[in-house]
Amino acid sequence: EAGVVQSPRYKIIEKKQPVAFWCNPISGHNTLYWYRQNLGQGPELLIRYENEEAVDDSQLPKDRFSAERLKGVDSTLKIQPAELGDSAVYLCASSPGGEGSEQYFGPGTRLTVT
Amino acid sequence: GEDVEQSLFLSVREGDSSVINCTYTDSSSTYLYWYKQEPGAGLQLLTYIFSNMDMKQDQRLTVLLNKKDKHLSLRIADTQTGDSAIYFCAESSGGSYIPTFGRGTSLIVHP
Repeated sequence: EAGVVQSPRYKIIEKKQPVAFWCNPISGHNTLYWYRQNLGQGPELLIRYENEEAVDDSQLPKDRFSAERLKGVDSTLKIQPAELGDSAVYLCASSPGGEGSEQYFGPGTRLTVT
Repeated sequence: GEDVEQSLFLSVREGDSSVINCTYTDSSSTYLYWYKQEPGAGLQLLTYIFSNMDMKQDQRLTVLLNKKDKHLSLRIADTQTGDSAIYFCAESSGGSYIPTFGRGTSLIVHP
């Protein structure tokens, strides 16, 4: 069974440019998460989807970040415009949902903003 | 202060036991987790313990929970070079089961 797929794996952009990340969760997983992991830190939740509905986006900086999960499967996370402080690893995870269900993480996209 | 705290580095000799410690602040924590992250990879759930348990053992891994002191530990027996990675402690509470992570402990295993 394929794991969580993310692309691209690495992205380097100049500040003020837009950037988008893509995530394909494990088949059948209803819950999808986007995390940001700064260097030397643990992941921090940006947004959580239950199917196509964003149920927790309180940590998403909505002035520049947006996300969507059309059809409740793949998801994209966009930053426009990017700032130097956005440099981080963006992790996608999915889970079947329900009590205590395990989250499966993708390898992440490492974003460098210059 | 941080919700979940752990030491940043641990160095052990191959074959020895490793003990990684973690403290947390949320007394309503329901689940406590240990994740492993290898270079360039996402996080992998190693084990978790429900808050009404005080110990869980899974092969080389032993998790101890002191709920009174809000202290969690992960013991890895017979540590191997392949165990070198960053280990994250995390806790979740309420119904969302979304973990709050510590900063991670970098485990270095040398021959």
